[in-house]
Amino acid sequence: DGGITQSPKYLFRKEGQNVTLSCEQNLNHDAMYWYRQDPGQGLRLIYYSQIVNDFQKGDIAEGYSVSREKKESFPLTVTSAQKNPTAFYLCASSISAGVSYNEQFFGPGTRLTVL
Amino acid sequence: AQSVTQPDIHITVSEGASLELRCNYSYGATPYLFWYVQSPGQGLQLLLKYFSGDTLVQGIKGFEAEFKRSQSSFNLRKPSVHWSDAAEYFCAVSTNTGNQFYFGTGTSLTVIP
Repeated sequence: DGGITQSPKYLFRKEGQNVTLSCEQNLNHDAMYWYRQDPGQGLRLIYYSQIVNDFQKGDIAEGYSVSREKKESFPLTVTSAQKNPTAFYLCASSISAGVSYNEQFFGPGTRLTVL
Repeated sequence: AQSVTQPDIHITVSEGASLELRCNYSYGATPYLFWYVQSPGQGLQLLLKYFSGDTLVQGIKGFEAEFKRSQSSFNLRKPSVHWSDAAEYFCAVSTNTGNQFYFGTGTSLTVIP
């Protein structure tokens, strides 16, 4: 089955530690996205990538980093510089960026809790 | 700047009743509009989308939405709600470059027997 997988489903981190969230897709999509979801705030874009080895900051990129070395993978690192990292993180992909009517497909999410 | 407003934070309906979830957008060019549904602790699933043509769009699970340019609205409707429709619903608009989606803050739907 084609889709997007995110791991782990739950992640606990101590303050001051970096942590990496995994996102893999087998849809052969060019574009991938990371969102952060907090109660009552909807989804906010962290980073997106239109093509391998290229990515752009979204609205709330501070304290996060990404890489796109392979088409199917777009890991997100939450660094110690992120002041309030506890949230639900969603990864998404679309066939290609730059086409307005292409929907985004979402993974099941990772819930990160900082202890 | 693009934005999406979902005025209703939470809605409660009885099973079998009709449903309308409101969505207003702000965007200067032709909007590309989407409705997604999210069950607790899960990712988002696309219900339907509008990008041109007929302003009444049919989606999955018996949902439909109507695009009204004059009102900058894209409201989601369902004639008869089922208990399994209880979830969070998000409206989104895509930019004309397709690089970003802008999501509303969501409407939480509770269905009572």
